[in-house]
Amino acid sequence: GNSVTQMEGPVTLSEEAFLTINCTYTATGYPSLFWYVQYPGEGLQLLLKATKADDKGSNKGFEATYRKETTSFHLEKGSVQVSDSAVYFCALVLPKTSYDKVIFGPGTSLSVIP
Amino acid sequence: NAGVTQTPKFQVLKTGQSMTLQCAQDMNHEYMSWYRQDPGMGLRLIHYSVGAGITDQGEVPNGYNVSRSTTEDFPLRLLSAAPSQTSVYFCASSYSAGWYNEQFFGPGTRLTVL
Repeated sequence: GNSVTQMEGPVTLSEEAFLTINCTYTATGYPSLFWYVQYPGEGLQLLLKATKADDKGSNKGFEATYRKETTSFHLEKGSVQVSDSAVYFCALVLPKTSYDKVIFGPGTSLSVIP
Repeated sequence: NAGVTQTPKFQVLKTGQSMTLQCAQDMNHEYMSWYRQDPGMGLRLIHYSVGAGITDQGEVPNGYNVSRSTTEDFPLRLLSAAPSQTSVYFCASSYSAGWYNEQFFGPGTRLTVL
């Protein structure tokens, strides 16, 4: 079946450290891929997306590249800040399904310490 | 512009009680949905609606009812609460059900069933 796998964490980093959160997927067809972020006490917000192979999504210093050959969409940031502390969800959407179904990974909790 | 609002933020129920989780959006979005978030499982789709008067089941619909009488509101009803329904519930909306549309999430309702 279709699924998303990501490291659950928690991940703890010092400010200005390099961040990688791994995400791999299994899907029939060619999905679109997303990263959502959930700050404490808030709902999810779209962080970035990529709709086809080799696309790179970027926003707020975060980047992720759609790698079809490795079925991956890893999230990276060169220098994290305390304000990046949140839960990050990798997700996929299957195109042309009978209804929209966004398949979410379990989320990765990130804590950035000063 | 309030976006997606949910009430209440927290709720404790006893087994067998009923309640309604409220969700409203002021963006004139056609598509609305309800998710539950459980540890280690990401978000799972409960019910969704592609417009006023139209609803359908998602991945985990049992024990929940929905209706969509207006574009703005999409309440979720628990008819007879069970401990297995302890979870965080998120309402989301998007401009339409197209796969490329960003979903906007509410802040969530944390429900505990004793």
